[in-house]
Amino acid sequence: AQSVAQPEDQVNVAEGNPLTVKCTYSVSGNPYLFWYVQYPNRGLQFLLKYITGDNLVKGSYGFEAEFNKSQTSFHLKKPSALVSDSALYFCAVSAFNAGNNRKLIWGLGTSLAVNP
Amino acid sequence: DAGITQSPRHKVTETGTPVTLRCHQTENHRYMYWYRQDPGHGLRLIHYSYGVKDTDKGEVSDGYSVSRSKTEDFLLTLESATSSQTSVYFCAIRKAGEGDTQYFGPGTRLTVL
Repeated sequence: AQSVAQPEDQVNVAEGNPLTVKCTYSVSGNPYLFWYVQYPNRGLQFLLKYITGDNLVKGSYGFEAEFNKSQTSFHLKKPSALVSDSALYFCAVSAFNAGNNRKLIWGLGTSLAVNP
Repeated sequence: DAGITQSPRHKVTETGTPVTLRCHQTENHRYMYWYRQDPGHGLRLIHYSYGVKDTDKGEVSDGYSVSRSKTEDFLLTLESATSSQTSVYFCAIRKAGEGDTQYFGPGTRLTVL
């Protein structure tokens, strides 16, 4: 079955330190990979995506993610965390379903807490 | 901002009553989606639409129906609300040419008593 895993429910990091939020996936074919962020009581906001090309993708708010095909991972990173980065982060993968249509498969989310 | 609004933003209703949630977009996108978000379950797709009067089921469609009579509006109806449908509901659109990227509305928090 196709799936996306975010192995950590919560990540804690000190302000100014680098942060990593992990995502691994299990899909067939060539997936499209996404990260979204959700601030409290808000909708999800698109951060970045990988479709093809350079494995390192840069997105909004200084975030980047690295696609690793051999490890089937797409970890989200930021060199220096801010308190304002505290939020819920979702990884998603686009893959073909049984009807040969692409659909997004979502991870369960990782809560990031950046401590001042 | 993908020009998506949802109404109402909050609703409390009683078990057994019908409820309709509205998603409105201003940019003429073809694909629209309804999700529900629950703790421990992440986002789950309820229904989606790929054009006017063209809809299909997602993974948790039981107890829900949708309609899309015009491009800008995608309605989600809970035919007879149950407490298990207490959730936050999000509408999303997909922009053509952006490789499956979805953009989300602000959400509707629904409580079924």
